[in-house]
Amino acid sequence: DIQMTQSPTTLPAFVGDRITITCRASQNIGGWLAWYQQKPGTAPNLLISKASNLESGVPSRFSGSGSGTEFTLTISSLQPDDFATYYCQRYNSYSSLAFGGGTKVEMK
Amino acid sequence: QVTLRESGPVLVKPTETLTLTCTVSGLSLSTATVGVSWVRQPPGKTPEWLAHLFSKDEKSGDGKSYINTSLRSRLTISKDTAKNQVVLTLTNMDPVDTGTYYCVRICHGSSGGYFDYWGQGTLVTVSS
Repeated sequence: DIQMTQSPTTLPAFVGDRITITCRASQNIGGWLAWYQQKPGTAPNLLISKASNLESGVPSRFSGSGSGTEFTLTISSLQPDDFATYYCQRYNSYSSLAFGGGTKVEMK
Repeated sequence: QVTLRESGPVLVKPTETLTLTCTVSGLSLSTATVGVSWVRQPPGKTPEWLAHLFSKDEKSGDGKSYINTSLRSRLTISKDTAKNQVVLTLTNMDPVDTGTYYCVRICHGSSGGYFDYWGQGTLVTVSS
């Protein structure tokens, strides 16, 4: 199975900071990567598909990039509502979908 | 408006069988290529994909399902088209199966999919 590794695990940050989260795949997955935001007690919320396609209604301060084995999620100016846990998910095969370990963005 | 709602027991005993039902609205399971998945998340851990079921395969016309290989011997996914429901069955439950179980709509990529609509989730605890 292709493993997904996110870094960092925890990211302390201030409101207004530009932050970047990295997701690495153990093998080439093309551009088949999604990003989700999850807040405590709620289901994950889709932010980005196909590595860089911003979903409808998601603020433009979120962006995604990358292909192959390395991907990034960037928040250009962190807002109070953005403190949450972020997960990447590869979807290169219907028979094997997997999430990364998560990155918790917390107040510094 | 697509909504998915999970229902089932909140507490099961070790070795028992868990049956969860996902009732789908705003989406017909009789429509070709509609896909519904189950994802679970143990407390404080990352989500884990369990299985998905497609209403109709584009080539064969039959429904098609995929199951996480780590659970293949224990997990069954099925649908009731008349009720627009997807049912998950997981046998021989163990405390490590404790977690929130989500019903999710899968959006097609090329050879895989991502999850755009999520149910609110149901917390299942396995304990004697």
